[in-house]
Amino acid sequence: DAGVIQSPRHEVTEMGQEVTLRCKPISGHDYLFWYRQTMMRGLELLIYFNNNVPIDDSGMPEDRFSAKMPNASFSTLKIQPSEPRDSAVYFCASSPLSEAAMNDNEKLFFGSGTQLSVL
Amino acid sequence: DAKTTQPTSMDCAEGRAANLPCNHSTISGNEYVYWYRQIHSQGPQYIIHGLKNNETNEMASLIITEDRKSSTLILPHATLRDTAVYYCIVPSGYGNKLVFGAGTILRVKS
Repeated sequence: DAGVIQSPRHEVTEMGQEVTLRCKPISGHDYLFWYRQTMMRGLELLIYFNNNVPIDDSGMPEDRFSAKMPNASFSTLKIQPSEPRDSAVYFCASSPLSEAAMNDNEKLFFGSGTQLSVL
Repeated sequence: DAKTTQPTSMDCAEGRAANLPCNHSTISGNEYVYWYRQIHSQGPQYIIHGLKNNETNEMASLIITEDRKSSTLILPHATLRDTAVYYCIVPSGYGNKLVFGAGTILRVKS
């Protein structure tokens, strides 16, 4: 398996523009997570999905942020309009956790991240 | 998630064992201890996890104290490529929701 695939690897945009980050999870994984990482705040969980359904979006900072998972093999994180303070590395991760496993299988597999710079 | 406390940074000589401590004094009986690491410019990587017993895999060993209030991640023969931030996490509740703290910066030096 190629692992979790994120695109683009780097994104530079101007303030006010729409930004779309993409993620392809590992096939067969039921959970998908979006994290954001900055020097000031570290790794923050933004939202996660189970079987394509958003479960917890309490980490999404503002209404400017939205995430979708139209099918089991694809998710997007959109920022509209983008602001300079959104500059960060955005990671997508997937997990094969099943309900029976509970937290004996909190193995997340992370992608390489998207480095976003909003000028 | 149960709160964990880790040293901010540690140094280790190449080829020596790296012992990374973690305190999790509020851990409950059915909560696991997980370790991840993040090498510069990469996403976090799972290392190992355990509940009560000591665990070992191809990457590391995990020693959990009998009262489960602390644990130590051991890299038996650290290499320069082990330089990374190491995160100790105790997830709680159903949902596979990992919350990362600041972690320990491990610097392996030649």
